[in-house]
Amino acid sequence: AQSVTQLGSHVSVSEGALVLLRCNYSSSVPPYLFWYVQYPNQGLQLLLKYTSAATLVKGINGFEAEFKKSETSFHLTKPSAHMSDAAEYFCAVRYNAGKSTFGDGTTLTVKP
Amino acid sequence: DAGVIQSPRHEVTEMGQEVTLRCKPISGHDYLFWYRQTMMQGLELLVYFNNKAVMDDSGMPKDRFSAKMPNASFSTLKIQPSEPRDSAVYFCASSPGQANTEAFFGQGTRLTVV
Repeated sequence: AQSVTQLGSHVSVSEGALVLLRCNYSSSVPPYLFWYVQYPNQGLQLLLKYTSAATLVKGINGFEAEFKKSETSFHLTKPSAHMSDAAEYFCAVRYNAGKSTFGDGTTLTVKP
Repeated sequence: DAGVIQSPRHEVTEMGQEVTLRCKPISGHDYLFWYRQTMMQGLELLVYFNNKAVMDDSGMPKDRFSAKMPNASFSTLKIQPSEPRDSAVYFCASSPGQANTEAFFGQGTRLTVV
């Protein structure tokens, strides 16, 4: 069964510090991978996605993620955190045209 | 396009009452998903449709929940009778038919059952 694991349900960084949110998937077949962000009282929205065109994917708001097949990982990074980045982040996998499988989410707190 | 539209945005109801949540997906999207989000359980997939047909409803409590998609532009999620444990935010999402496409989420319906 397809699954995705997000390490760390809560991550706290200082403003200006590196953001690293971890995501690992379990499959021998590389899936399509997505990062979504959810701001308070809103639905999820796409940050970026991996669709096999390039292993380093750039998304909105300065975020990027690197697909590493050998590590079955798709970690999300941002060089310098901003207060407005505080939100919940979800990693998701999709193998076919059906449903996506979401991770449990990581809440990012940015300290001034 | 206006995106995925859900109504109502907020619903407060008494235990035992019927609740109907509504969703209008993005035009042309083949898939429609209903999710429930709570602090304890996180984001749970309740049911999803492909071209109006139910593909998987294993996450949905069948004794009180029912989901319908009578046409390509409208879906409902009904809870009857409602219970306090149904209090959650319910999201509808839609996506095109390709696996490399993302889901587009609505703003959600916050349901409170008292």
